[in-house]
Amino acid sequence: AQTVTQSQPEMSVQEAETVTLSCTYDTSENNYYLFWYKQPPSRQMILVIRQEAYKQQNATENRFSVNFQKAAKSFSLKISDSQLGDTAMYFCAFAAPSTSGTYKYIFGTGTRLKVLA
Amino acid sequence: NAGVTQTPKFRVLKTGQSMTLLCAQDMNHEYMYWYRQDPGMGLRLIHYSVGEGTTAKGEVPDGYNVSRLKKQNFLLGLESAAPSQTSVYFCASGPLVYEQYFGPGTRLTVT
Repeated sequence: AQTVTQSQPEMSVQEAETVTLSCTYDTSENNYYLFWYKQPPSRQMILVIRQEAYKQQNATENRFSVNFQKAAKSFSLKISDSQLGDTAMYFCAFAAPSTSGTYKYIFGTGTRLKVLA
Repeated sequence: NAGVTQTPKFRVLKTGQSMTLLCAQDMNHEYMYWYRQDPGMGLRLIHYSVGEGTTAKGEVPDGYNVSRLKKQNFLLGLESAAPSQTSVYFCASGPLVYEQYFGPGTRLTVT
């Protein structure tokens, strides 16, 4: 079975500091995608970053970067220069081809991040 | 360009009542999804559609039905609401199987 595990229910970080959120997953697929989504108090799910499994290079988006370790099935998110607006719930997600011809999405349980002033 | 919109934003139902949630997207996306989000859990896929006129079951389809008569709309129906269906419902759409854009969510309470 495919699973996504976020072992840190809550984290906090001082403004301007760096924080890393952990995510591990389990799959027998070779081609898949990994995502980090941000859900602020407004509830809107916002895509932060996406990583294709076939790419060895870690994805980066401005202050957000990932450490993708395919062999270890680990996909952590690093937020640099944390800002108050980064306060949100962060979800790790995984998508792999399903037998129905589309992709199966699985989400982790989330990590609540609080950025402290 | 409104992106993905959901109607209504909030709703309270009594057990046994029915209702339909509407998801609309103006990005000409082929793929559309309905998820539910419960406390302490991530999103779980209810149903999805890979194109106009198609629907398929996701992880937790029981108690829900869907229809996609028009490409831009994806409807989620509850025929006989139960308290276990109290949740926040998210719709998403995407141009590709691995790309999703989410709506703002609908908070549904069933008493």
